[in-house]
Amino acid sequence: DSGVTQTPKHLITATGQRVTLRCSPRSGDLSVYWYQQSLDQGLQFLIQYYNGEERAKGNILERFSAQQFPDLHSELNLSSLELGDSALYFCASSGRDPTPGNTIYFGEGSWLTVV
Amino acid sequence: AQTVTQSQPEMSVQEAETVTLSCTYDTSENNYYLFWYKQPPSRQMILVIRQEAYKQQNATENRFSVNFQKAAKSFSLKISDSQLGDTAMYFCAFMKHEGGGADGLTFGKGTHLIIQP
Repeated sequence: DSGVTQTPKHLITATGQRVTLRCSPRSGDLSVYWYQQSLDQGLQFLIQYYNGEERAKGNILERFSAQQFPDLHSELNLSSLELGDSALYFCASSGRDPTPGNTIYFGEGSWLTVV
Repeated sequence: AQTVTQSQPEMSVQEAETVTLSCTYDTSENNYYLFWYKQPPSRQMILVIRQEAYKQQNATENRFSVNFQKAAKSFSLKISDSQLGDTAMYFCAFMKHEGGGADGLTFGKGTHLIIQP
């Protein structure tokens, strides 16, 4: 158990809908990352938050947004869903300092299926 | 931008054998970190081993060791005495030092390792 908790584990929704994925980082971790894993794109970095502030953006679509709350949990919002958004979405967290190379621990992921 | 290449989509070895997974990367950075993650059928991403680019000594974690060749930009993973539980996808990943870990990890496409009984 990595200590990173993601909910829901599985989600099926229709095209055009909006979903929210939730992540609780490991106790004490201030950095939260979101990744998307799909068959055709592999593992892609979406966005990072550190202590409530956005720090870096990767290949995140404009239809997607995220935030990190004062209690450090994070949510990834996916809207106007398309079939191609079906993927495994990982949340990950890392140490108290934004020190490069801190181990990044992954949650078990949220499986999103868009039908 | 960084790229990570894993040239072996799939490998299969017998239990107890030693296997080496290849990884090359391309970067203009001088300070960075390299990782191997394991993803078993459960899909959980598990850190196997990490290497700091400024360290010449190769990292070792029990049966897992790396061969880090900075000049060649190569970072291979050796698994000794392979076990059935080692069956998984293995991802090589890069993180640059500059920016305090922002941008997170850049992953390769993975190698599917199958350990045969």
